[in-house]
Amino acid sequence: AQTVTQSQPEMSVQEAETVTLSCTYDTSENNYYLFWYKQPPSRQMILVIRQEAYKQQNATENRFSVNFQKAAKSFSLKISDSQLGDTAMYFCAFMKHYGGSQGNLIFGKGTKLSVKP
Amino acid sequence: DSGVTQTPKHLITATGQRVTLRCSPRSGDLSVYWYQQSLDQGLQFLIQYYNGEERAKGNILERFSAQQFPDLHSELNLSSLELGDSALYFCASSTRDDLRGLAGNTIYFGEGSWLTVV
Repeated sequence: AQTVTQSQPEMSVQEAETVTLSCTYDTSENNYYLFWYKQPPSRQMILVIRQEAYKQQNATENRFSVNFQKAAKSFSLKISDSQLGDTAMYFCAFMKHYGGSQGNLIFGKGTKLSVKP
Repeated sequence: DSGVTQTPKHLITATGQRVTLRCSPRSGDLSVYWYQQSLDQGLQFLIQYYNGEERAKGNILERFSAQQFPDLHSELNLSSLELGDSALYFCASSTRDDLRGLAGNTIYFGEGSWLTVV
């Protein structure tokens, strides 16, 4: 069974600085997707970034980038130039690429990020 | 706005009752997923439907059931409610046929339905 671990329950960062959130996962699959979702106080789940395991290039979306280390099963999220609106719970999630359980997003416990002015 | 619509946004009901949560997926999306978010269990996958058929099942209780209708909207039925069923229930949708594993398959979430059982 797949598991996702986020070892940092809470983090804080000063506005305009850079912060990295950690995520490790365990799987025997070779093809899969990894995601970071953001959940602000409104509780909506917002997709931040997606990485396909077969792609060696790290995904980037504006101020958000990932460091995907497939062999180490590590998938960290870097937020550059942090903004107050980045304050939220961040969830790392895993999804298999094939098979009947496709679509079963397995989530970590989340990291609560606070951006301070 | 993700394009996934859930109703009701908030619901308070008594133990032993039955409720129905409704979800309209994004236009064109064939897959619908239901997730439960509670304080003690975190985010858990309940069930997935694809074009009207059940595709995958997670930790869904026997007291819970779901279906997807021909117009692709979905309903999650929760019966014999217990205090522990209080949670935020998310519906999500995606475009591609998962089993073909096409690149670009992304799951978009609705705003959730808050269920409080008293």
